Amino acid sequence: GAVVSQHPSRVICKSGTSVKIECRSLDFQATTMFWYRQFPKQSLMLMATSNEGSKATYEQGVEKDKFLINHASLTLSTLTVTSAHPEDSSFYICSARDPYLSSYNEQFFGPGTRLTVL
Amino acid sequence: GENVEQHPSTLSVQEGDSAVIKCTYSDSASNYFPWYKQELGKGPQLIIDIRSNVGEKKDQRIAVTLNKTAKHFSLHITETQPEDSAVYFCAARPLSSGAGSYQLTFGKGTKLSVIP
Repeated sequence: GAVVSQHPSRVICKSGTSVKIECRSLDFQATTMFWYRQFPKQSLMLMATSNEGSKATYEQGVEKDKFLINHASLTLSTLTVTSAHPEDSSFYICSARDPYLSSYNEQFFGPGTRLTVL
Repeated sequence: GENVEQHPSTLSVQEGDSAVIKCTYSDSASNYFPWYKQELGKGPQLIIDIRSNVGEKKDQRIAVTLNKTAKHFSLHITETQPEDSAVYFCAARPLSSGAGSYQLTFGKGTKLSVIP
């Protein structure tokens, strides 16, 4: 149990286009979902936290108009990178939390999405 | 906010030897400390965690120790195998959060290479 999927696993797009990444909790209800960004050989940097049905809370320095997050259901959150540029190329990882699944509020991580902007 | 330091950044060991990775944290309110293993091109996978009411936890070849007074915790892998080669991240957060965010603060990672 506690599986999180991401789609697509890899995406290549042209500069100026928008890309949507989906994060799904397959067998549990994700009250909270987290979006991270990871550059090569670096740690995970939290971009935003979203609670189902609420607006996402963005970390300092993350542009909310560029990285649109929607968490409309308990099993799906989407991250849309708008007007992507080469510097947005990165590994994007989501995680999900279900307080009824883990009493320690464990985060379950997705497999990540590799975004390359040409 | 919380700050997590992780050492070493890279670690090479011979197969069968032990590996130790150490982390320190700054926020005394933190009381949940998970460790993640990340293989190339994949998301992090939880391998073990410890809570502040426990000083040590073991799961087969993996163990974690916690010293809350000194604010540090360590990951120990015994009898290392080539498949243990990966990047390992420590993290810290409060077990409960007043803001309800349950955010993790990660260390910078340790690349472990197990040499056959």
